[in-house]
Amino acid sequence: DTEVTQTPKHLVMGMTNKKSLKCEQHMGHRAMYWYKQKAKKPPELMFVYSYEKLSINESVPSRFSPECPNSSLLNLHLHALQPEDSALYLCASSQGTSGGLNEQFFGPGTRLTVL
Amino acid sequence: AQSVTQPDIHITVSEGASLELRCNYSYGATPYLFWYVQSPGQGLQLLLKYFSGDTLVQGIKGFEAEFKRSQSSFNLRKPSVHWSDAAEYFCAVGGNNDMRFGAGTRLTVKP
Repeated sequence: DTEVTQTPKHLVMGMTNKKSLKCEQHMGHRAMYWYKQKAKKPPELMFVYSYEKLSINESVPSRFSPECPNSSLLNLHLHALQPEDSALYLCASSQGTSGGLNEQFFGPGTRLTVL
Repeated sequence: AQSVTQPDIHITVSEGASLELRCNYSYGATPYLFWYVQSPGQGLQLLLKYFSGDTLVQGIKGFEAEFKRSQSSFNLRKPSVHWSDAAEYFCAVGGNNDMRFGAGTRLTVKP
């Protein structure tokens, strides 16, 4: 299995809602990533988990809360988001844990709309 | 920190014509370089990567890229473009901590 899966595919939420994005990989990869991608822009790194521990937090607002329950799963908990948080949220994984020195495999993304 | 420049925001080519997408990087050490492709609303798919060795690398879907250290470039090429190649293309450079993406080049293919 060489796939990263993400659910849901689309999510619409209000500013007072709490929701979660889920990501799963069964490639035995040891690092997992969350990216945010606005329209017509490149992906921007949000968080990196290495061996299930948070290793990089790119100064992301606390309304985004990542969680790595085990080596195959990565969640992104959302609370009190703003309309400007509307974007495509991409999950990725890599075998190695040295950040950009490894090929990253991306999921299809969750299209998030905040009303 | 590393950085990537993709000078062309949008390129249009005719189906069957050749393609070259430009990428320039800035990094103090030996770069790890990647080209990814993204179809609308989809995730990113790796086309090819360069870590070391032969400076001409072959990728999937008939793409290749050449690493030129003297020009700090890693341009992507394809000899004959197909309509299905229309997408957004991202060049990326990897450092110890993270991967930095260029702004992307949108490819349109004319029939």
